[in-house]
Amino acid sequence: DAKTTQPPSMDCAEGRAANLPCNHSTISGNEYVYWYRQIHSQGPQYIIHGLKNNETNEMASLIITEDRKSSTLILPHATLRDTAVYYCIVMHSGGSNYKLTFGKGTLLTVNP
Amino acid sequence: DAGITQSPRYKITETGRQVTLMCHQTWSHSYMFWYRQDLGHGLRLIYYSAAADITDKGEVPDGYVVSRSKTENFPLTLESATRSQTSVYFCASSESGYNQPQHFGDGTRLSIL
Repeated sequence: DAKTTQPPSMDCAEGRAANLPCNHSTISGNEYVYWYRQIHSQGPQYIIHGLKNNETNEMASLIITEDRKSSTLILPHATLRDTAVYYCIVMHSGGSNYKLTFGKGTLLTVNP
Repeated sequence: DAGITQSPRYKITETGRQVTLMCHQTWSHSYMFWYRQDLGHGLRLIYYSAAADITDKGEVPDGYVVSRSKTENFPLTLESATRSQTSVYFCASSESGYNQPQHFGDGTRLSIL
């Protein structure tokens, strides 16, 4: 699976959009981009995933660049409860590969 | 919408004892997974299961045993606990194995003295 690079930390004001970047320049054509987050002492929480088109769900939007070498997770109206470590993962699942590999992620702190 | 539940949430035991961590999901997901999370190592896959009665080793299976007699349950047993198995254990499930997200429980914090 391709490696990802994320900033170690970011701050965001409550109510504003949080834009979390991720670089994955070695991504291959059949690899998806997944985003998870982990709030302290809780299990990782799935947020969104996509292949090449932009995706939106009730939690967030995922913007993938046309060359697929980077992506941005957007939390449109961040709340204090969105403070967490956010992980960008590139993964081709199926076959015998089911292992989620979490890097160091981005610690997002939402400030009042 | 119960989702995926793990029990117990916290467990303290002694070296050499057998301990079983339980995982139950209500979605009828085919795939289930066990991970451990340690500082400096991130998440590591212990075992996974593609369906009832089908299990396979992950990255760090030594010292662990799993079974899956029913789709909804995937218990993890440490047959003879060691201090190196002190960790936070997460169970996860996914609808299928191909490009489906994994959904995690809240974990079991296991301390082995």
